[in-house]
Amino acid sequence: KQEVTQIPAALSVPEGENLVLNCSFTDSAIYNLQWFRQDPGKGLTSLLLIQSSQREQTSGRLNASLDKSSGRSTLYIAASQPGDSATYLCAVSWLGNEKLTFGTGTRLTIIP
Amino acid sequence: DTGVSQNPRHKITKRGQNVTFRCDPISEHNRLYWYRQTLGQGPEFLTYFQNEAQLEKSRLLSDRFSAERPKGSFSTLEIQRTEQGDSAMYLCASSLGTGGRSYEQYFGPGTRLTVT
Repeated sequence: KQEVTQIPAALSVPEGENLVLNCSFTDSAIYNLQWFRQDPGKGLTSLLLIQSSQREQTSGRLNASLDKSSGRSTLYIAASQPGDSATYLCAVSWLGNEKLTFGTGTRLTIIP
Repeated sequence: DTGVSQNPRHKITKRGQNVTFRCDPISEHNRLYWYRQTLGQGPEFLTYFQNEAQLEKSRLLSDRFSAERPKGSFSTLEIQRTEQGDSAMYLCASSLGTGGRSYEQYFGPGTRLTVT
């Protein structure tokens, strides 16, 4: 079964620290992997998309990496700010299927 | 580019009533997706369209659910005879869908359904 897992479910870090969020997936035959941010009661904001042929993508203070062989992706956030507090979701589309399969997310709290 | 829009944003209904939600995708996006999200969970795929053709339906989409995209632009999701278990956030997304990075999905703000 194709599944996506995110651990831990919640993370609190002091403002200014660098941090890493983890995502693991079964079945290495992925097409794309997307990281999203979701604020409470809101929709999803796309942060980064990594294609299966890529190893990483960067946007501002965010860097996402992909290791298909180990079934892992990480989202690195540099110099965290209180405004980064949100739930971060990892989602995978596998070859031959456009639908996204999501993890349950990591709820991030940045402590001022 | 005004983003994906969804209406209504909130809907409260009584069990047994029918409800309909609307999604307007980003213009020129030929793919449109529906997901459902319950509290504390990630979104779950329901169905998706390429232009007006419905290409895949999840087993989650019981016969009480129907989705349409009649002219390949906006889409509607109807739930008949609502049940309390239908209470969730219903999310719509769209993508350009012409290969590679164009499959990046952009989400709307969602419609929160509460069935009493």
